[in-house]
Amino acid sequence: GESVGLHLPTLSVQEGDNSIINCAYSNSASDYFIWYKQESGKGPQFIIDIRSNMDKRQGQRVTVLLNKTVKHLSLQIAATQPGDSAVYFCAEITGGGNKLTFGTGTQLKVEL
Amino acid sequence: GAGVSQSPSNKVTEKGKDVELRCDPISGHTALYWYRQSLGQGLEFLIYFQGNSAPDKSGLPSDRFSAERTGGSVSTLTIQRTQQEDSAVYLCASKTGLLNTEAFFGQGTRLTVV
Repeated sequence: GESVGLHLPTLSVQEGDNSIINCAYSNSASDYFIWYKQESGKGPQFIIDIRSNMDKRQGQRVTVLLNKTVKHLSLQIAATQPGDSAVYFCAEITGGGNKLTFGTGTQLKVEL
Repeated sequence: GAGVSQSPSNKVTEKGKDVELRCDPISGHTALYWYRQSLGQGLEFLIYFQGNSAPDKSGLPSDRFSAERTGGSVSTLTIQRTQQEDSAVYLCASKTGLLNTEAFFGQGTRLTVV
């Protein structure tokens, strides 16, 4: 069935290093892929999106890569900071632009 | 309001009782979503609304779960005859419309069934 899932449940990085969070998806009909960040006790917050016909998109300190051949999505965070510690979810938009579904999530821990 | 508002923030109920969870989306947002999140888990899609219509109810776990939206604004998620496995945080989100990817989330309602 349709699903969006993640490879690693926990990722630990040193402050200042780059982080890479990965996601596998199975639905080729997705319109957009999105990354959300969820801090403890809060609702998820939008980080960056990428349209399904693109390969790469850059934001402030973040880059999202989309490999449609292997159905793989990644979020790269440059110079990881303690404030980046959170759970990161990949998500997809389907159904003509309105259905928003989420993957399992990766806990990012930044070590000082 | 400034953001998505959910009430109550916490709810403890006895097994078998009915509960209603409320979501006030951002004004003007036509799409509204309900998710369930168990401790340390991902966001389980329950239902979404476009206006007052629910095009996709496929995520509702059983017929004990229902949701409605009135006036294109407030939504309520009702769980009848609650069970202990219903215990979770219920999150609501809204966004402006088709192909807009930024959904804004409320703080959630933490439901505990005892």
